[in-house]
Amino acid sequence: DAMVIQNPRYQVTQFGKPVTLSCSQTLNHNVMYWYQQKSSQAPKLLFHYYDKDFNNEADTPDNFQSRRPNTSFCFLDIRSPGLGDAAMYLCATSRVTSGYSNEQFFGPGTRLTVL
Amino acid sequence: AQTVTQSQPEMSVQEAETVTLSCTYDTSESNYYLFWYKQPPSRQMILVIRQEAYKQQNATENRFSVNFQKAAKSFSLKISDSQLGDTAMYFCAFKPNDSGAQKLVFGQGTRLTINP
Repeated sequence: DAMVIQNPRYQVTQFGKPVTLSCSQTLNHNVMYWYQQKSSQAPKLLFHYYDKDFNNEADTPDNFQSRRPNTSFCFLDIRSPGLGDAAMYLCATSRVTSGYSNEQFFGPGTRLTVL
Repeated sequence: AQTVTQSQPEMSVQEAETVTLSCTYDTSESNYYLFWYKQPPSRQMILVIRQEAYKQQNATENRFSVNFQKAAKSFSLKISDSQLGDTAMYFCAFKPNDSGAQKLVFGQGTRLTINP
């Protein structure tokens, strides 16, 4: 089945130690998103890639960066995780064609713990 | 800026009952999409139902239906014959009909519990 896959599902890191979360998709969607979701809150968009074009949200801290080496993969890099970065990180994808935008498909998320 | 408001942080009903989750939004756009997403405990978020603003007919997906009132900017979700598996966090979301604007605006969510 076509899907959005996130690895690992659970990640523990130390305060200040860089960490990378990965997302892959078999849907061949041209847009990929990274969200941060804290407990019982709505997902907060960090950034998205529209094809190769990177779009950062204005309030996303510089500590968060992303890479999309090809259509299928997208990475979230947290350069120096703080305790406040502990959260669920959701990857999502969507297909956007001229004048039409489909719904977003979400992965299962990676729960990040910062010690 | 668009905003989405879900005024019910938590709801609880008995199995087989009908429940309605409310959502209001604010926008100056004339054409847009509205979504209800379901996020079960420890499971991934999935789309429940979507509505295009230009369509007057309310969307329906099996036991799930919406009441879309464009003038009132209201988009409620009705779950009929509720089941234990409907227990989840439900998010209402808005997206303008602009292929260059990919941001979903989420409401705060409603935690729905279906009791046996």
